[in-house]
Amino acid sequence: NAGVMQNPRHLVRRRGQEARLRCSPVKGHSHVYWYRQLPEEGLKFMVYLQKENIIDESGMPKERFSAEFPKEGPSILRIQQVVRGDSAAYFCASSRAGTDSNTEAFFGQGTRLTVV
Amino acid sequence: KQEVTQIPAALSVPEGENLVLNCSFTDSAIYNLQWFRQDPGKGLTSLLLIQSSQREQTSGRLNASLDKSSGRSTLYIAASQPGDSATYLCAVSGSARQLTFGSGTQLTVLP
Repeated sequence: NAGVMQNPRHLVRRRGQEARLRCSPVKGHSHVYWYRQLPEEGLKFMVYLQKENIIDESGMPKERFSAEFPKEGPSILRIQQVVRGDSAAYFCASSRAGTDSNTEAFFGQGTRLTVV
Repeated sequence: KQEVTQIPAALSVPEGENLVLNCSFTDSAIYNLQWFRQDPGKGLTSLLLIQSSQREQTSGRLNASLDKSSGRSTLYIAASQPGDSATYLCAVSGSARQLTFGSGTQLTVLP
């Protein structure tokens, strides 16, 4: 897994609170992806970021969800006013490049969000 | 829109058996295909990456093949062990740069 670090590993939030999920990519990787795995479902793409830029956010809900990858520091996935349906495992992946056929994606351990 | 299907959804085999997991995808314009392993409650571990120009990759007891024209990949596991029990995920990467995942095959190897 070459060092993609996600924290926290588990996060419990009450409905209406905010959830902030952090992802530190593999050292030297400048491409970060967020995926969501709902209970009993497969992983679905949410957003693709390169340092300071959102490249593709086509899989991210239009409301309440936002993502950033600042020049310094980890990538953040932010969910405002959480609802029960946001309960899922959120995975971050990083890669060295975005389009190279030899580009391998490395995944973190995930953050399991539970909304109560 | 790329769609990835994995068959079977679940598989149970006795220890020592060789087995094949299948993955198919609808759009053959891919950059690469990756096989991952996911243990319950854990993250994804990359097993093998096959570039679009390659036909197969091997790592230890694992061998993955790719037939891009027919939109198929197989993961062959030789001499299965109880420690191989996990969910195996196939994912393809294309011009959209994101990975599109199948729903996985849940493998149980019985001692």
